[in-house]
Amino acid sequence: EIVMTQSPATLSVSPGERATLSCRASQNVNSNLAWYQHKPGQAPRLLIYGASTRATGIPARFSGSGSGTEFSLTISSLQSEDFAVYYCQQYNSWPPLTFGGGTKVEIK
Amino acid sequence: QVQLQESGPGLVKPSETLSLTCTVSGGSMRSSYWTWIRQPPGKGLEWIGYIHYSGSTNSNPSLKSRVTILVDMSKNQFSLKLSSVTAADTAVYHCARWNNNNWFDPWGQGTLVTVSS
Repeated sequence: EIVMTQSPATLSVSPGERATLSCRASQNVNSNLAWYQHKPGQAPRLLIYGASTRATGIPARFSGSGSGTEFSLTISSLQSEDFAVYYCQQYNSWPPLTFGGGTKVEIK
Repeated sequence: QVQLQESGPGLVKPSETLSLTCTVSGGSMRSSYWTWIRQPPGKGLEWIGYIHYSGSTNSNPSLKSRVTILVDMSKNQFSLKLSSVTAADTAVYHCARWNNNNWFDPWGQGTLVTVSS
């Protein structure tokens, strides 16, 4: 099983600032990585797939990078609606499909 | 666009079987894979398993012996049965479409299932 590790667990950021979230895979997952945004009581939303391709309707302030075992999600200028929990997910090797433990982006 | 909605009992007794249904609206279930994912309170996301519209399935090895996933194309629904539940199965259960055996999109908002006597 590929273990996904996200850091930090919590990120405190002021609106308008840049946020960078990290995701590490225990084995090479190539570029087979997705990022999701999850707000309480809502359906998780796909942000990024293929490590760096924005999903339909996702604002350009969200960008993904990396390959192999090290990945990052950057939010260039945080808006109020961006405060949420973010998860990475690998789909290179399954079963099982696996997620990271999440990074909570909170208002500083 | 495609939307998913989970439904089922919010409370299940220990040792019994958890049963949930996901209703797909706004599109056909054909040519797609459909999946269940859960999130225990305070923990991360765990993939449970998938079903293809043809009926083929696969599930997380950690749950495989207890998981049954079925599809009902006539009702545009798929379902999850998890047997012999314990408190550790308390979680918010989400259904989602599994795109091209890759990422999940869209998701349902989830339903909380509590295992308690």
